[in-house]
Order: sequence, then C-alpha cells, then structure tokens
Amino acid sequence: EVQLVESGGGLVQPGGSLRLSCAASGFTVSSNYMSWVRQAPGKGLEWVSVIYSGGSTYYADSVKGRFTISRDNSKNTLYLQMNSLRAEDTAVYYCARNLILTGYFDYWGQGTLVTVSS
Amino acid sequence: SYVLTQPPSVSVAPGKTARITCGGNNIGSKSVHWYQQKPGQAPVLVIYYDSDRPSGIPERFSGSNSGNTATLTISRVEAGDEADYYCQVWDSSSDHPNWVFGGGTKLTVL
Repeated sequence: EVQLVESGGGLVQPGGSLRLSCAASGFTVSSNYMSWVRQAPGKGLEWVSVIYSGGSTYYADSVKGRFTISRDNSKNTLYLQMNSLRAEDTAVYYCARNLILTGYFDYWGQGTLVTVSS
Repeated sequence: SYVLTQPPSVSVAPGKTARITCGGNNIGSKSVHWYQQKPGQAPVLVIYYDSDRPSGIPERFSGSNSGNTATLTISRVEAGDEADYYCQVWDSSSDHPNWVFGGGTKLTVL
C-alpha cells in the first residue's frame, strides 16, 4: 500500500527556517517525480516544488531561492528545506507523487501545517 | 502563466446533477485532472486525463473537456459528495515545469 507521511511543521518566526520530511512506503521515491504542494488557510492549492527521478529540481517563483527540495534514497524520504520564511508561506504542506511528469498527483500525504508568525 | 477559473460555489439538491466548470485559454488542448477535498483531509484524485476515473471512484463522477471549458459532472449527488473540488493542468508555457490548480469550487448539497 502506498503511503506518504509528512512531518516537521510547526510555528516559526518570520525569517526563520524549517525542514519538512515526507516518508514514503509502498514505492520508491527516487524512481518517481515527487512534489510539494501547499494550501494557505482557507485558500486553494499551490504547487511549490518538484524533484525528478533523475535528480533535477524546480520551484515555483514564489519560493525560488528560499526553498530546497531533496531526497534521501536510503530512507525513502523527501524533504523540503524552507529558509527566509515569510507570513505568506503559512500553509498546510503536502507531499505528492506525480505518476507522470506532465500529469496528475496520484498519491498525497496528510499534510503538515507551517505557521510563520511572530 | 496559465490561469484556471472555477466558480467559488455550486449548490445542488440530493439526487440531482452537479456540474463544476474549469475555464482556461484553449483548455481543450490540455489534459485536465480533478481532485476532491473534504475538510481537514488531503485532496483525492477523482478524474484524470479529462474523463478517466481512478479505481474506487464511483461512476457518478465524470469529466469532459472542450474549447475553453472543462467540466466535472457528478450525477445523483449524495450528501457525502459535499467538498471542495479543484481542477489541475500541467503548464508548459513557463521556463520551468508548472502544475496549475484552479481556485476551487465548494459543492454544497442542499
């Protein structure tokens, strides 16, 4: 059974850092395209970042230069390092699998809440 | 970048048919995917590639896509269908890969 479990969210001050984790089971992270998608409170879904099976990484303009996506193949885990956090980064962060690069997200984690506030 | 437009809300009586639209420039040339999200839960894929249903999704859910509008249709609506629905496409027009979501439509079952 495919499962994605996020962790690492919490309250952080503006300008601070946080690292999110997404532990996968039932498939191999490194063989898939993996993304982070976020949802601000009461708002819609926003794609944040993707890591290709080959290792290439891409980011939404809103987080480029501040966030870094990575993975640990030995732990089958996806990460999102978030630096220089802003109030507008407050959201539930989901990890999700892109079964096909140009397609849809077939599996999602339960999400982890990041709150940026002083 | 590519913009998807959804109505903020749609209301329907139980047993009737709900239609949720997703507008975009020549969206008919793209593949559209739909997600259902209930309060406090992660999104769930209900339609992919315009009209395909993942296993476990009732046949009451269907989709179409043509011209500038994609539509998610839910037949014989049940109380359990009340949720937010999001359309999504892959946008190749920017200098990086980009998965675009519509703003979401809240389906209310009267």
